[in-house]
Amino acid sequence: KQEVTQIPAALSVPEGENLVLNCSFTDSAIYNLQWFRQDPGKGLTSLLLIQSSQREQTSGRLNASLDKSSGRSTLYIAASQPGDSATYLCAVFEDSNYQLIWGAGTKLIIKP
Amino acid sequence: NAGVTQTPKFQVLKTGQSMTLQCAQDMNHEYMSWYRQDPGMGLRLIHYSVGAGITDQGEVPNGYNVSRSTTEDFPLRLLSAAPSQTSVYFCASKFPGPNSPLHFGNGTRLTVT
Repeated sequence: KQEVTQIPAALSVPEGENLVLNCSFTDSAIYNLQWFRQDPGKGLTSLLLIQSSQREQTSGRLNASLDKSSGRSTLYIAASQPGDSATYLCAVFEDSNYQLIWGAGTKLIIKP
Repeated sequence: NAGVTQTPKFQVLKTGQSMTLQCAQDMNHEYMSWYRQDPGMGLRLIHYSVGAGITDQGEVPNGYNVSRSTTEDFPLRLLSAAPSQTSVYFCASKFPGPNSPLHFGNGTRLTVT
C-alpha cells in the first residue's frame, strides 16, 4: 500500500532563507507527484505537478524535484517571505487506482 | 469565477442527526470528490464521481452517501452523524486525467457532539 510521508511536521525559519521541504513515498509506480499549499481555514491550492517522466518543475521561487527510484521529492523555496507561511502537502497520483495519496503536510512558519 | 463552492462553512450536529454538505463547481469539471482532513493525517478520500450519474467509493466511505445528478453539484450526506465524523471536509474537482490539477473548496468544519 502506498504511503506518503512528510518530515518534519513543522518548520520555522527566518525570512530570507532558502529552505527545502521533503516528501517520501513507498511505491514508485506513480503518474505524478503534486505539491499543494494550504492556508489556515482555506482549501488547498495546487503549486506544482511533476509528471513521472520529469525530474523537476519550477514556478517563480518554487522548485520541486522528483526522484522516483529513491521515492523522494523536495520542494525548494528560495528567499522565503512571511507570506510563504502555510502548510505544504504533497500527494502522489497512483498508477493502480487513479487516486491521490496524501502526506500529512509540513507546517511552515517564516519569521519576519 | 467562483470555482468550487462549499456550504456551510461550519456545522455542529448532535449524534444521530443527518445533514447534507453542499458542493458546487462552475468549471465544467467532470471529476468531483470529497475528502476529510483530520489533524496529523493526510487527506482521505470519501467518495468521488467521474461524471453525472457515476459515483464510487474512496478510502473511507462508511457513514456517507453521495449522488451526482448534474455536472455542477456533488452533495455529501451524513446519514447518522457520529463523533468520529468530526472533521474538516473538502470538496475538490478537476478535468479528467492524472495530470489535471485538483481545485479545492474552502472546506466545511463539522463538529459532532
